[in-house]
Amino acid sequence: DTGVSQNPRHKITKRGQNVTFRCDPISEHNRLYWYRQTLGQGPEFLTYFQNEAQLEKSRLLSDRFSAERPKGSFSTLEIQRTEQGDSAMYLCASSLAGLPFDEQFFGPGTRLTVL
Amino acid sequence: TQLLEQSPQFLSIQEGENLTVYCNSSSVFSSLQWYRQEPGEGPVLLVTVVTGGEVKKLKRLTFQFGDARKDSSLHITAAQPGDTGLYLCAGERAGNNRKLIWGLGTSLAVNP
Repeated sequence: DTGVSQNPRHKITKRGQNVTFRCDPISEHNRLYWYRQTLGQGPEFLTYFQNEAQLEKSRLLSDRFSAERPKGSFSTLEIQRTEQGDSAMYLCASSLAGLPFDEQFFGPGTRLTVL
Repeated sequence: TQLLEQSPQFLSIQEGENLTVYCNSSSVFSSLQWYRQEPGEGPVLLVTVVTGGEVKKLKRLTFQFGDARKDSSLHITAAQPGDTGLYLCAGERAGNNRKLIWGLGTSLAVNP
């Protein structure tokens, strides 16, 4: 297992276009998280899944954002009608539920630039 | 309201110097993680501390969890250019649904 992977690594799009990112977690991990990070800041929580269930979604998250994890393995994050303010690094992390503490392992991120 | 305060926000030092980064909160955490992130990459987990007063060492890095489990520190001895990066702390609150509370990070630059 090579850890958490994310695709694409970079995405440049024009304002108003839709984009979709994919995350493949560590295979035995049942929790999956999406974060957004801007330069010099810590990760901002977007949403998380346990297996295929989306357990929490940030109240700061616009309706233009949607995430799925249909089979409890990989996940996709879609942003509709992108805006320049959506430009950021989108990070995915996974962890294993049931442990005494939550150690999250991150992918390399997808850098989104909205022109 | 930022629940986890990290200080300093920026730090630029010379190779060989020692430094300490702080992570403070008024909340009690059941565990606290430290991560290091390099530009263009995701954060990498360094350590998890769980017990109040716990001290963990990772080569030249020493992590301490406060007795009350509200704060933590990271001390680096004889810093090297390879230590350069964004250091993030993240706490898991007792009774929370496992959503980590993140600090804003300390950006460290170690100059040769």
